[in-house]
Amino acid sequence: QVQLQQSGAELAKPGSSVKISCKASGYTFTSYYISWIKQTTGQGLEYIGYINTGSGGTNYNEKFKGKATLTVDKSSSTAFMQLSSLTPDDSAVYYCARGHYWGQGVMVTVSS
Amino acid sequence: DVVLTQTPVAQPVTLGDQASISCRSSQSLVHSNGNTYLEWYLQKPGQSPQLLIYKVSNRFSGVPDRFIGSGSGSDFTLKISRVEPEDLGVYYCFQATHDPWTFGGGTKLELK
Repeated sequence: QVQLQQSGAELAKPGSSVKISCKASGYTFTSYYISWIKQTTGQGLEYIGYINTGSGGTNYNEKFKGKATLTVDKSSSTAFMQLSSLTPDDSAVYYCARGHYWGQGVMVTVSS
Repeated sequence: DVVLTQTPVAQPVTLGDQASISCRSSQSLVHSNGNTYLEWYLQKPGQSPQLLIYKVSNRFSGVPDRFIGSGSGSDFTLKISRVEPEDLGVYYCFQATHDPWTFGGGTKLELK
Protein backbone atom coordinates (compact mmCIF):
# COMPACT_ATOMS: atom_id res chain seq x y z
CA GLN A 1 0.00 0.00 0.00
CA VAL A 2 1.11 3.55 -0.65
CA GLN A 3 2.81 5.13 2.34
CA LEU A 4 4.59 8.43 2.86
CA GLN A 5 6.65 8.42 6.05
CA GLN A 6 7.90 11.83 7.14
CA SER A 7 10.78 12.64 9.47
CA GLY A 8 10.36 13.77 13.05
CA ALA A 9 9.56 17.10 14.63
CA GLU A 10 12.12 19.89 14.38
CA LEU A 11 13.01 22.69 16.76
CA ALA A 12 15.12 25.32 15.03
CA LYS A 13 16.53 28.74 15.79
CA PRO A 14 15.63 31.84 13.78
CA GLY A 15 17.93 32.26 10.80
CA SER A 16 18.79 28.58 10.56
CA SER A 17 17.61 25.91 8.09
CA VAL A 18 15.90 22.57 8.40
CA LYS A 19 15.57 19.71 5.95
CA ILE A 20 12.62 17.39 6.33
CA SER A 21 12.14 14.12 4.51
CA CYS A 22 9.31 12.10 3.04
CA LYS A 23 10.07 8.44 2.33
CA ALA A 24 7.72 6.80 -0.15
CA SER A 25 6.85 3.12 -0.36
CA GLY A 26 4.30 0.87 -2.01
CA TYR A 27 4.60 2.30 -5.53
CA THR A 28 7.10 3.33 -8.19
CA PHE A 29 8.55 6.52 -6.72
CA THR A 30 9.47 8.18 -9.98
CA SER A 31 6.00 7.78 -11.49
CA TYR A 32 4.30 10.43 -9.35
CA TYR A 33 4.99 13.99 -8.31
CA ILE A 34 5.37 14.81 -4.62
CA SER A 35 3.70 17.95 -3.30
CA TRP A 36 4.38 19.87 -0.10
CA ILE A 37 1.78 21.72 1.98
CA LYS A 38 2.09 24.00 5.00
CA GLN A 39 -0.53 24.12 7.74
CA THR A 40 -0.80 26.79 10.39
CA THR A 41 -3.62 27.81 12.69
CA GLY A 42 -3.63 31.32 11.28
CA GLN A 43 -3.13 30.77 7.55
CA GLY A 44 -4.72 27.34 7.20
CA LEU A 45 -3.42 25.12 4.42
CA GLU A 46 -1.00 26.56 1.88
CA TYR A 47 0.42 24.84 -1.14
CA ILE A 48 4.20 25.15 -1.29
CA GLY A 49 4.95 23.39 -4.55
CA TYR A 50 5.74 20.08 -6.12
CA ILE A 51 8.65 18.13 -7.52
CA ASN A 52 8.74 15.82 -10.50
CA THR A 53 10.40 12.84 -8.84
CA GLY A 54 11.59 11.50 -12.18
CA SER A 55 13.29 14.59 -13.59
CA GLY A 56 13.78 16.64 -10.42
CA GLY A 57 11.90 19.53 -12.00
CA THR A 58 10.08 21.76 -9.54
CA ASN A 59 7.15 24.15 -9.42
CA TYR A 60 6.89 26.56 -6.49
CA ASN A 61 4.15 28.78 -5.21
CA GLU A 62 5.67 32.28 -5.63
CA LYS A 63 5.17 32.86 -1.94
CA PHE A 64 7.63 30.08 -1.08
CA LYS A 65 10.33 30.79 -3.65
CA GLY A 66 13.55 31.38 -1.79
CA LYS A 67 12.10 29.80 1.35
CA ALA A 68 11.59 26.18 0.30
CA THR A 69 13.85 23.99 -1.81
CA LEU A 70 12.52 20.65 -3.01
CA THR A 71 14.79 17.76 -3.93
CA VAL A 72 14.63 13.98 -4.27
CA ASP A 73 16.89 10.99 -3.80
CA LYS A 74 15.64 8.37 -6.22
CA SER A 75 17.89 5.68 -4.76
CA SER A 76 16.02 5.83 -1.45
CA SER A 77 12.59 6.90 -2.80
CA THR A 78 12.76 9.96 -0.59
CA ALA A 79 11.70 13.53 -1.19
CA PHE A 80 13.14 16.39 0.80
CA MET A 81 12.16 19.96 1.56
CA GLN A 82 14.69 22.39 2.94
CA LEU A 83 13.39 25.53 4.61
CA SER A 84 15.92 28.32 4.93
CA SER A 85 16.32 31.60 6.85
CA LEU A 86 13.73 30.44 9.32
CA THR A 87 11.49 32.89 11.19
CA PRO A 88 8.70 32.24 13.69
CA ASP A 89 6.24 32.51 10.76
CA ASP A 90 7.69 29.28 9.42
CA SER A 91 6.48 27.41 12.50
CA ALA A 92 3.88 25.00 11.11
CA VAL A 93 3.06 21.44 10.27
CA TYR A 94 4.44 20.48 6.89
CA TYR A 95 2.95 17.66 4.85
CA CYS A 96 4.15 15.81 1.79
CA ALA A 97 1.52 14.32 -0.49
CA ARG A 98 1.25 12.14 -3.56
CA GLY A 99 -2.11 13.10 -4.91
CA HIS A 100 -4.59 12.07 -2.25
CA TYR A 101 -2.01 10.14 -0.20
CA TRP A 102 -0.58 12.33 2.56
CA GLY A 103 2.27 11.87 5.00
CA GLN A 104 1.64 12.22 8.71
CA GLY A 105 3.09 15.72 8.83
CA VAL A 106 6.16 17.23 10.49
CA MET A 107 5.89 19.95 13.09
CA VAL A 108 8.56 22.60 12.71
CA THR A 109 8.94 25.06 15.57
CA VAL A 110 11.14 28.12 15.14
CA SER A 111 12.11 29.67 18.43
CA SER A 112 15.16 31.19 20.05
CA ASP B 1 -4.01 33.54 -6.67
CA VAL B 2 -7.45 31.90 -6.62
CA VAL B 3 -9.24 32.56 -3.36
CA LEU B 4 -11.64 29.90 -2.12
CA THR B 5 -14.17 31.21 0.39
CA GLN B 6 -15.88 28.61 2.52
CA THR B 7 -19.07 29.21 4.47
CA PRO B 8 -19.98 28.73 7.20
CA VAL B 9 -16.77 28.77 9.22
CA ALA B 10 -18.43 26.47 11.76
CA GLN B 11 -21.50 24.27 11.38
CA PRO B 12 -23.04 22.92 14.60
CA VAL B 13 -25.06 19.79 13.91
CA THR B 14 -27.03 17.08 15.62
CA LEU B 15 -26.14 13.53 14.64
CA GLY B 16 -28.47 12.40 11.88
CA ASP B 17 -28.89 15.94 10.51
CA GLN B 18 -27.94 17.08 7.04
CA ALA B 19 -25.04 19.54 6.71
CA SER B 20 -24.14 21.75 3.80
CA ILE B 21 -20.86 23.59 3.12
CA SER B 22 -20.32 26.18 0.42
CA CYS B 23 -17.08 26.91 -1.42
CA ARG B 24 -16.98 29.92 -3.71
CA SER B 25 -14.01 30.64 -5.94
CA SER B 26 -12.69 34.06 -7.01
CA GLN B 27 -12.60 32.76 -10.59
CA SER B 28 -13.94 29.88 -12.61
CA LEU B 29 -12.32 26.54 -11.84
CA VAL B 30 -12.94 25.09 -15.28
CA HIS B 31 -9.56 24.09 -16.69
CA SER B 32 -8.69 24.63 -20.33
CA ASN B 33 -9.01 20.85 -20.77
CA GLY B 34 -12.66 21.01 -19.68
CA ASN B 35 -12.16 19.43 -16.26
CA THR B 36 -12.92 21.19 -13.00
CA TYR B 37 -10.32 20.32 -10.38
CA LEU B 38 -12.25 21.03 -7.22
CA GLU B 39 -11.78 18.62 -4.33
CA TRP B 40 -13.07 18.26 -0.78
CA TYR B 41 -11.00 17.02 2.17
CA LEU B 42 -11.85 16.18 5.75
CA GLN B 43 -9.28 16.63 8.48
CA LYS B 44 -10.00 14.90 11.75
CA PRO B 45 -8.17 16.01 14.92
CA GLY B 46 -4.54 14.92 14.91
CA GLN B 47 -4.75 13.47 11.40
CA SER B 48 -3.75 14.45 7.87
CA PRO B 49 -6.47 15.64 5.52
CA GLN B 50 -8.25 12.80 3.71
CA LEU B 51 -9.79 13.06 0.26
CA LEU B 52 -13.57 12.78 0.04
CA ILE B 53 -14.54 14.20 -3.36
CA TYR B 54 -12.54 14.92 -6.53
CA LYS B 55 -13.48 16.77 -9.71
CA VAL B 56 -16.51 18.36 -8.03
CA SER B 57 -18.73 15.34 -7.56
CA ASN B 58 -16.74 12.08 -7.66
CA ARG B 59 -16.55 10.20 -4.38
CA PHE B 60 -13.12 8.81 -3.60
CA SER B 61 -12.81 5.07 -2.97
CA GLY B 62 -14.50 4.04 0.29
CA VAL B 63 -16.30 7.37 0.86
CA PRO B 64 -19.92 6.78 1.91
CA ASP B 65 -22.67 7.89 -0.44
CA ARG B 66 -24.01 10.31 2.19
CA PHE B 67 -21.27 12.69 0.94
CA ILE B 68 -22.44 14.53 -2.17
CA GLY B 69 -20.42 17.13 -4.05
CA SER B 70 -22.00 19.44 -6.57
CA GLY B 71 -21.56 22.74 -8.36
CA SER B 72 -19.92 24.26 -11.38
CA GLY B 73 -17.83 27.20 -12.48
CA SER B 74 -17.03 29.03 -9.28
CA ASP B 75 -19.75 27.85 -6.91
CA PHE B 76 -19.55 24.47 -5.17
CA THR B 77 -21.30 22.65 -2.35
CA LEU B 78 -20.62 19.62 -0.20
CA LYS B 79 -23.68 18.05 1.40
CA ILE B 80 -23.53 15.44 4.12
CA SER B 81 -26.78 13.68 4.77
CA ARG B 82 -27.34 11.94 8.11
CA VAL B 83 -24.18 13.19 9.87
CA GLU B 84 -22.40 10.46 11.82
CA PRO B 85 -19.80 10.86 14.61
CA GLU B 86 -16.90 9.99 12.25
CA ASP B 87 -17.89 12.92 10.01
CA LEU B 88 -16.89 15.53 12.59
CA GLY B 89 -13.81 17.59 11.82
CA VAL B 90 -12.71 20.36 9.49
CA TYR B 91 -13.67 20.29 5.83
CA TYR B 92 -11.56 22.01 3.18
CA CYS B 93 -12.19 22.66 -0.46
CA PHE B 94 -9.14 22.67 -2.71
CA GLN B 95 -8.54 23.72 -6.32
CA ALA B 96 -5.88 22.42 -8.65
CA THR B 97 -7.07 24.20 -11.79
CA HIS B 98 -4.98 27.33 -11.43
CA ASP B 99 -1.38 27.70 -10.27
CA PRO B 100 -0.72 28.04 -7.38
CA TRP B 101 -3.15 25.44 -6.12
CA THR B 102 -5.10 26.77 -3.14
CA PHE B 103 -7.28 25.65 -0.24
CA GLY B 104 -10.36 27.14 1.30
CA GLY B 105 -10.21 28.39 4.87
CA GLY B 106 -12.04 25.39 6.30
CA THR B 107 -15.42 24.63 7.85
CA LYS B 108 -15.59 22.96 11.23
CA LEU B 109 -18.40 20.44 11.54
CA GLU B 110 -19.12 20.11 15.25
CA LEU B 111 -21.82 18.85 17.57
CA LYS B 112 -24.44 21.28 18.84
